[in-house]
Amino acid sequence: QSALTQPPSASGSPGQSVTISCTGTSSDVGGYNSVSWYQQHPGKAPKVVIYEVSERPSGVPDRFSGSKSGNTASLTVSGLQAEDEADYYCSSYADSNNLGVFGGGTKLTVL
Amino acid sequence: EVQLVQSGAEVKKPGESLKISCKGSGYSFTNYWIGWVRQMPGKGLEWMGIIYPGDSDTRYSPAFHSPSFRGQVTISADKSITTAYLQWSNLKDSDTAMYYCATPSLVGGRIIRIDHWGQGTLVTVSS
Repeated sequence: QSALTQPPSASGSPGQSVTISCTGTSSDVGGYNSVSWYQQHPGKAPKVVIYEVSERPSGVPDRFSGSKSGNTASLTVSGLQAEDEADYYCSSYADSNNLGVFGGGTKLTVL
Repeated sequence: EVQLVQSGAEVKKPGESLKISCKGSGYSFTNYWIGWVRQMPGKGLEWMGIIYPGDSDTRYSPAFHSPSFRGQVTISADKSITTAYLQWSNLKDSDTAMYYCATPSLVGGRIIRIDHWGQGTLVTVSS
């Protein structure tokens, strides 16, 4: 059982927006701004798309955005494109593990 | 260009030992943390541990370094050949997984993101 809770699946049509949630506690997501999001295509290594809640690494399209409210972080993908179809994982620093904990992952399907 | 190149897939039997590697290039290997992330079949990601090659400071995730954890893992690095290692002394079926090496960025002692990933090493443990 993962430390952070994500919905197992999400979907949207091309051009639409979709938001994926990541729920933790005040000892991880709610207590720190060290939340990051990773995109993983089948058979590939993950890639960071958001870090420190809402920062976007260079090269990541601005269609990807992040936010946090209380113990829940969110990743929004706007203007969905076919290549956005992948698994997405959230991660946060945690009092219980100084290396951080991950969510169970959300499979994003572009319809 | 930063590259992390991992050793190839392994098939082992329970109880055997194993050491897999990750060679870093394109950056100052000594001055950046490097670590290992496990992904069991069809499952999510888990940090195992990280090491700072400059002084060998090593930090483990509690799940992978408790006194009761059989088949304990060890993370090490050889800065002379810019290579990090993950080794097991007593493999179990449940160690079957994809293992990624990765370079995390830390701020204030906390990992804020993982910048680079290796291609992954698939370890299969089966009798």
